[in-house]
Amino acid sequence: AQTVTQSQPEMSVQEAETVTLSCTYDTSENNYYLFWYKQPPSRQMILVIRQEAYKQQNATENRFSVNFQKAAKSFSLKISDSQLGDTAMYFCAFMKDYGGSQGNLIFGKGTKLSVKP
Amino acid sequence: DTAVSQTPKYLVTQMGNDKSIKCEQNLGHDTMYWYKQDSKKFLKIMFSYNNKELIINETVPNRFSPKSPDKAHLNLHINSLELGDSAVYFCASSQETGWNSPLHFGNGTRLTVT
Repeated sequence: AQTVTQSQPEMSVQEAETVTLSCTYDTSENNYYLFWYKQPPSRQMILVIRQEAYKQQNATENRFSVNFQKAAKSFSLKISDSQLGDTAMYFCAFMKDYGGSQGNLIFGKGTKLSVKP
Repeated sequence: DTAVSQTPKYLVTQMGNDKSIKCEQNLGHDTMYWYKQDSKKFLKIMFSYNNKELIINETVPNRFSPKSPDKAHLNLHINSLELGDSAVYFCASSQETGWNSPLHFGNGTRLTVT
């Protein structure tokens, strides 16, 4: 069975600085997808970034980028120029590629990020 | 023009009661989901519906039953509520079931069972 581990329950960063959130996963699959979701205090869940395992190039979305290390089964999220609005719970998620539903996401337990002014 | 809306936002009820949470999406998506987030923030898929067909049913108690009157709605009915059912329940939808069809989440319903 696949598992997703986020080893940092809470983190904080000063506004405008850079922070990296860790995520590791365990799978025997070769093809899969990885995601970072953001849950702000409003409790809405927002997709931040996603990565296909077969792509070596790390995904980037504006201030958000990932460091995907497939051999190490690591998928960390880097947030540059942190903003107060980045304060949220961040979930790492894994989805096996079997031509199936994105609903088969396996989530980590989340990292609570606080951006301080 | 909320994309995925859930009602109610908060629900407090006593053990043994039956309750429903409603979910509607106006995105024209084909697939809808229910997730449960427990007190420790751990999210887990409960159900998904695609064209009125249940395609995922994780090991949840049969006291939980999803009901989809049409493609735009997926309601969650819970019978004989228990203390352990207290959690935040999220509805979500996606255009397709493939990975590159992003999930759109509702704002969640906080259920408290006393």
